Amino acid sequence: DAKTTQPPSMDCAEGRAANLPCNHSTISGNEYVYWYRQIHSQGPQYIIHGLKNNETNEMASLIITEDRKSSTLILPHATLRDTAVYYCIVRADTSGTYKYIFGTGTRLKVLA
Amino acid sequence: NAGVMQNPRHLVRRRGQEARLRCSPMKGHSHVYWYRQLPEEGLKFMVYLQKENIIDESGMPKERFSAEFPKEGPSILRIQQVVRGDSAAYFCASSPEHTNTIYFGEGSWLTVV
Repeated sequence: DAKTTQPPSMDCAEGRAANLPCNHSTISGNEYVYWYRQIHSQGPQYIIHGLKNNETNEMASLIITEDRKSSTLILPHATLRDTAVYYCIVRADTSGTYKYIFGTGTRLKVLA
Repeated sequence: NAGVMQNPRHLVRRRGQEARLRCSPMKGHSHVYWYRQLPEEGLKFMVYLQKENIIDESGMPKERFSAEFPKEGPSILRIQQVVRGDSAAYFCASSPEHTNTIYFGEGSWLTVV
């Protein structure tokens, strides 16, 4: 089972910031938070990941709360091409294997 | 630097036939993962392989499905005696040694008629 919970859907106006929340209250101290997105009929695309500090790259920013029980992915200026399903994942580390468990994600719709 | 390459992109098989899906990882990557996505559902982990070894196959159906990642060549996901319920998108991902980020291919869409 996925170790994260996300709202099933969100809308965002084009040009505005999209803030996608994720709860991961059972996260362990050495587990990273990863974000991927899947545009319709394409393979999942890596966005960003973090452990406890906030992270930023050319695609997005990741804000992780101090207790690490939740995080927010921020797309600073959403475009129509950002319409996709966004997955928040806590990497499951079972017996040394790196198994990513995908939940149902948040379906983000960017509106013109 | 080419990404993860999957082929065929689309495959149609009749019930009872075999399906073989191939995945070439990114250059320098020695870890391969297979995921299945049924229509309108999320991605489900199937198997994790390193060169010549199956590390975790906890998501693989017990029958008809097998995977390999030989020393030379691509990883192969093999489905024997396909049934309509096998119709899905199959995604492969790869990662290099000692890192956690995996990168996905564009998927192989299997349709069983």
